[in-house]
Amino acid sequence: DTEVTQTPKHLVMGMTNKKSLKCEQHMGHRAMYWYKQKAKKPPELMFVYSYEKLSINESVPSRFSPECPNSSLLNLHLHALQPEDSALYLCASSQDDGRSYYNEQFFGPGTRLTVL
Amino acid sequence: GQSLEQPSEVTAVEGAIVQINCTYQTSGFYGLSWYQQHDGGAPTFLSYNALDGLEETGRFSSFLSRSDSYGYLLLQELQMKDSASYFCAVKYSGAGSYQLTFGKGTKLSVIP
Repeated sequence: DTEVTQTPKHLVMGMTNKKSLKCEQHMGHRAMYWYKQKAKKPPELMFVYSYEKLSINESVPSRFSPECPNSSLLNLHLHALQPEDSALYLCASSQDDGRSYYNEQFFGPGTRLTVL
Repeated sequence: GQSLEQPSEVTAVEGAIVQINCTYQTSGFYGLSWYQQHDGGAPTFLSYNALDGLEETGRFSSFLSRSDSYGYLLLQELQMKDSASYFCAVKYSGAGSYQLTFGKGTKLSVIP
């Protein structure tokens, strides 16, 4: 299984809603990532989990809250978002155990989020 | 910090060869990756160079010169399905884990 799955595919939410994005991988990867991608822009790193611990938070506003319940799952909890947060949210995973030569990150299909 | 430069758009004819260049500035450099992204899709991995030289994978090749902080992606025998955005990305180490920073992307249009 070389797939990263994300749910939901599309999400529309109001600024007062609370919602969660989910990501799952069963490749035994120890690093998992959340990226945000606006139209015609590159993916921007938000969070990195390494061995289920948050290792990097790229100055993301607190209205985004990541969670890694286990080595296969990654959640992104959303609360009080702004319209400018509308974007494609991508989850990725990689082996990156410090010994691997390759750097392939496997991306999920993304959740297209619209904040009204 | 990390910065990468790549052309914003390239147009090439079906069956031809195209080269997409990438220059970078980074600390803690481990390697240079290339990703392809079709409109509405997710990025997919194409190639990775950690050492100087050429890596070949089918119709795609990637080159790295660490001393010049420069790399390129070479696409041969272009097909219409190669029309997509191509991102170079530097792998570096920070805060105990590896990260990628992506360039702004090159939109490749393949024309008949």
